[in-house]
Amino acid sequence: EAQVTQNPRYLITVTGKKLTVTCSQNMNHEYMSWYRQDPGLGLRQIYYSMNVEVTDKGDVPEGYKVSRKEKRNFPLILESPSPNQTSLYFCASRGQGNYGYTFGSGTRLTVV
Amino acid sequence: SQQGEEDPQALSIQEGENATMNCSYKTSINNLQWYRQNSGRGLVHLILIRSNEREKHSGRLRVTLDTSKKSSSLLITASRAADTASYFCATDGGTSYDKVIFGPGTSLSVIP
Repeated sequence: EAQVTQNPRYLITVTGKKLTVTCSQNMNHEYMSWYRQDPGLGLRQIYYSMNVEVTDKGDVPEGYKVSRKEKRNFPLILESPSPNQTSLYFCASRGQGNYGYTFGSGTRLTVV
Repeated sequence: SQQGEEDPQALSIQEGENATMNCSYKTSINNLQWYRQNSGRGLVHLILIRSNEREKHSGRLRVTLDTSKKSSSLLITASRAADTASYFCATDGGTSYDKVIFGPGTSLSVIP
């Protein structure tokens, strides 16, 4: 089944403890993106990637890192999480010539 | 800066009625997309309309685009209880297809 897989689905962590949210797609898509969703603010783009080793900042990149070493994977790294990064995170991907994104099921992160 | 803004924020209709949601944006675009999100789940791509198109249909969905007014509308005909969800418009801001900005969404409730 064609899909975007995020792990974990739920995560509670403490301030300052580095964490990684993984994202993997099995559709050979070139483009991948990370969003966070907060009540009243909608979805905001964190980072996106056009292909392996090519990434760019979205609207809210502060406090996040990404890497794209392989085409299928696009992990989101929080080096020193803070409570204001408590949010619902989505990874998404799309293929060349198709501008509609396929979204993962989301990762609900709580930083205490 | 917010690119897409949906109107109304919330809409409640009876099953069988039509639902219309509007989206306004601020800058030029390459394309505009509509997504659906069931509570807390990942977004599902519904339809994409390019900047040189004025209207597009997909099943019970009809999307219009008016680039002179920087606005779009999504019409769902003969609504069903299963259409209950949040609907988001997304635009690319005209600079990069992948710097996608989502509006805050319209919450649609279809009452059986």
